[in-house]
Amino acid sequence: SQQGEEDPQALSIQEGENATMNCSYKTSINNLQWYRQNSGRGLVHLILIRSNEREKHSGRLRVTLDTSKKSSSLLITASRAADTASYFCATAGSSYKLIFGSGTRLLVRP
Amino acid sequence: SQTIHQWPATLVQPVGSPLSLECTVEGTSNPNLYWYRQAAGRGLQLLFYSVGIGQISSEVPQNLSASRPQDRQFILSSKKLLLSDSGFYLCAWSLPVSNQPQHFGDGTRLSIL
Repeated sequence: SQQGEEDPQALSIQEGENATMNCSYKTSINNLQWYRQNSGRGLVHLILIRSNEREKHSGRLRVTLDTSKKSSSLLITASRAADTASYFCATAGSSYKLIFGSGTRLLVRP
Repeated sequence: SQTIHQWPATLVQPVGSPLSLECTVEGTSNPNLYWYRQAAGRGLQLLFYSVGIGQISSEVPQNLSASRPQDRQFILSSKKLLLSDSGFYLCAWSLPVSNQPQHFGDGTRLSIL
């Protein structure tokens, strides 16, 4: 079953704009992870945020986590055409398993 | 550095034929290993995971099986493929500790005719 659900399902923005994607989940977690997938390729890990953290940054990426609302957001600042991809959140509970959402398809127009 | 290899990249098989997809990891020992399937435009569904040689956990009942004959080798198999087995299959590994990311191979696109 899928726990994380991303919103929106698709997002189209102009190069240079910021892109925000949201993820909601249902049960308690140990951490939440964001991945990126280019068309027809494997997933690439972007950021892992633990349940006791509220915000993390990596380059142009900013992830927030609100465990009281069971939600997370991924912000990509100053987007580039190369950021075009699908973005997935995944939640980890007490085991090693990840449960993935259905993803947000991001299109950055040059 | 660690690398993960998954092959073949694409595969076209007739219904009822057998399947063997292989995944190997280099540069780490005793990794956790995972097989996922991804339907078009969807997220990943965990099929199997392994925390050691010969230790396989199955997540969904299905026509597939997995084996781990060596520490860094993970194989996905089927004796008789069904049309519903079509999809994009991804192998991944992670360190055997908590709060770790998973690292994915490039996937196998499987089409059943």
